[in-house]
Amino acid sequence: AQKVTQAQTEISVVEKEDVTLDCVYETRDTTYYLFWYKQPPSGELVFLIRRNSFDEQNEISGRYSWNFQKSTSSFNFTITASQVVDSAVYFCALSDGNYGQNFVFGPGTRLSVLP
Amino acid sequence: DAGITQSPRHKVTETGTPVTLRCHQTENHRYMYWYRQDPGHGLRLIHYSYGVKDTDKGEVSDGYSVSRSKTEDFLLTLESATSSQTSVYFCAISERQGMTYEQYFGPGTRLTVT
Repeated sequence: AQKVTQAQTEISVVEKEDVTLDCVYETRDTTYYLFWYKQPPSGELVFLIRRNSFDEQNEISGRYSWNFQKSTSSFNFTITASQVVDSAVYFCALSDGNYGQNFVFGPGTRLSVLP
Repeated sequence: DAGITQSPRHKVTETGTPVTLRCHQTENHRYMYWYRQDPGHGLRLIHYSYGVKDTDKGEVSDGYSVSRSKTEDFLLTLESATSSQTSVYFCAISERQGMTYEQYFGPGTRLTVT
């Protein structure tokens, strides 16, 4: 069975600090896909990134970066120079690559960025 | 914007009453999903659909039924609402991206069962 763990329930940082959100996953599939979503206080779910299991390159998008390590089954998300607008709940998710019936979410990490 | 709307956006109902939530999409996606979001659990799949009249159960399907008579609409019904069904409900679609699918979500429906 697939499982996603986000051990950090809540994190508070002061603006401009860097922060890393941890995601650890479990799967028996050799091909799988990892995702991060953002849920701001307004409640909608915003897709951030998808990573394939066969591509371990890290990715950077502006202040966001993602570190995928198969050896430790982790897909961590770092926000550099955090801003108040980054305050949200962040979800990590895992899929087996099919049309989505096996899309598993972690419990989420609530990030508060204080001014 | 995946063109997904949900109605109603907020609803308060009493225990034992039937409730139907509607998900509407405008882009002819084949796959649609209903999730519930509860603190500490992330999102959990209730039911999903892989075509008109084709549906299947997810992780937390007890107490819920679904129907899909048209591609664009996916209905979630609570036959007799209970307080444990107080939650935020999200509809999602899957969109093919390369070798896999990405899920995009509607705005959510906040349901309170008193």
